[in-house]
Amino acid sequence: GQQLNQSPQSMFIQEGEDVSMNCTSSSIFNTWLWYKQDPGEGPVLLIALYKAGELTSNGRLTAQFGITRKDSFLNISASIPSDVGIYFCAGEEDSSYKLIFGSGTRLLVRP
Amino acid sequence: KAGVTQTPRYLIKTRGQQVTLSCSPISGHRSVSWYQQTPGQGLQFLFEYFSETQRNKGNFPGRFSGRQFSNSRSEMNVSTLELGDSALYLCASSLVPGASYEQYFGPGTRLTVT
Repeated sequence: GQQLNQSPQSMFIQEGEDVSMNCTSSSIFNTWLWYKQDPGEGPVLLIALYKAGELTSNGRLTAQFGITRKDSFLNISASIPSDVGIYFCAGEEDSSYKLIFGSGTRLLVRP
Repeated sequence: KAGVTQTPRYLIKTRGQQVTLSCSPISGHRSVSWYQQTPGQGLQFLFEYFSETQRNKGNFPGRFSGRQFSNSRSEMNVSTLELGDSALYLCASSLVPGASYEQYFGPGTRLTVT
């Protein structure tokens, strides 16, 4: 089945640093999504991308939909302690709308 | 507006037993999807229901089943539990299928099989 490779698996950074994580796929997706999951909660949608090459921002978060439609990255600028959590990418299958999730990037921020 | 609610939040069962988990979607949402989350496999799609009909199914054995009621509430059932079924089971609701940009997840039910 389809798989998304998400990297890095984990990051431990200093407050104020910028963070970058990415996701690659062997298949083309027409929609890429980025989620954040806090402990004990379900994932929350951060950014949705619908067009190849699209760059979208949401506050300190910026995500891009790769031109080949097989990859996406998420950047977080000036990280703060509440950015701690697990970040997931997901690709939406065009025909079925099923979401295929990456394995997640665990982010820890040192105050 | 109340979010997606899942009950129970925690459950401990023994191998061989069966379990039923419940999901109440956001008011007005008619599509409900279920996911299994484990440390090793991440989030895996189980199935999706819309208007009481299963629209999509993931690659899980027949022991995993679900249904949706006329009020859009959904249940999933796992029969003959195995140790590997221990996971966080998440449901997500949206107005209609394909509206991933406004799909909201519940907090999950953590199932432990001993």
